[in-house]
Amino acid sequence: GNSVTQMEGPVTLSEEAFLTINCTYTATGYPSLFWYVQYPGEGLQLLLKATKADDKGSNKGFEATYRKETTSFHLEKGSVQVSDSAVYFCALSDTGRRALTFGSGTRLQVQP
Amino acid sequence: DGGITQSPKYLFRKEGQNVTLSCEQNLNHDAMYWYRQDPGQGLRLIYYSQIVNDFQKGDIAEGYSVSREKKESFPLTVTSAQKNPTAFYLCASSMRREAEAFFGQGTRLTVV
Repeated sequence: GNSVTQMEGPVTLSEEAFLTINCTYTATGYPSLFWYVQYPGEGLQLLLKATKADDKGSNKGFEATYRKETTSFHLEKGSVQVSDSAVYFCALSDTGRRALTFGSGTRLQVQP
Repeated sequence: DGGITQSPKYLFRKEGQNVTLSCEQNLNHDAMYWYRQDPGQGLRLIYYSQIVNDFQKGDIAEGYSVSREKKESFPLTVTSAQKNPTAFYLCASSMRREAEAFFGQGTRLTVV
């Protein structure tokens, strides 16, 4: 079946450091890929998405590229801020499944 | 403003009681979903519905029930058969099954 694997957290960085959160997936066909962000006590917000191979999703300084050859969708940001502290979820959509499949989430802590 | 509204934000239930969580959307989305989130874990799919008067079980449907009588509403009932109901419950909707999902703010259910 479909699955999403994320690097375990927490990831602790200093402000202005470079961020990478790894995400790999297993799926049949050609799923769309997503990154969501969750702040404490809240629901999930869509951060970015990519719908086909080699697409790059970007938003608020975050980027991720859909790599079919490595089945990956790593999240990157060049310079993190304290306000980026949250839990980040990688997800995929699968027409056969008809609902998003999520990774376990990666907590990011950014220190001033 | 368009969005998804979950109520209540916090809910306490005594063991042996059924409780219903509300989810309403005004995005005119066809598909709606219920996920469960436990501390430090990803989201697990409980039920989903692609059209009115139709819904399917997800990965952890036991002890839960849903209805979809209206396009904008998808209430979730946590029954006494659910052995460990304390969790954070998230409702979501999407325009179509392959598209990104939009989430409500969640309901935190605690069994006392």
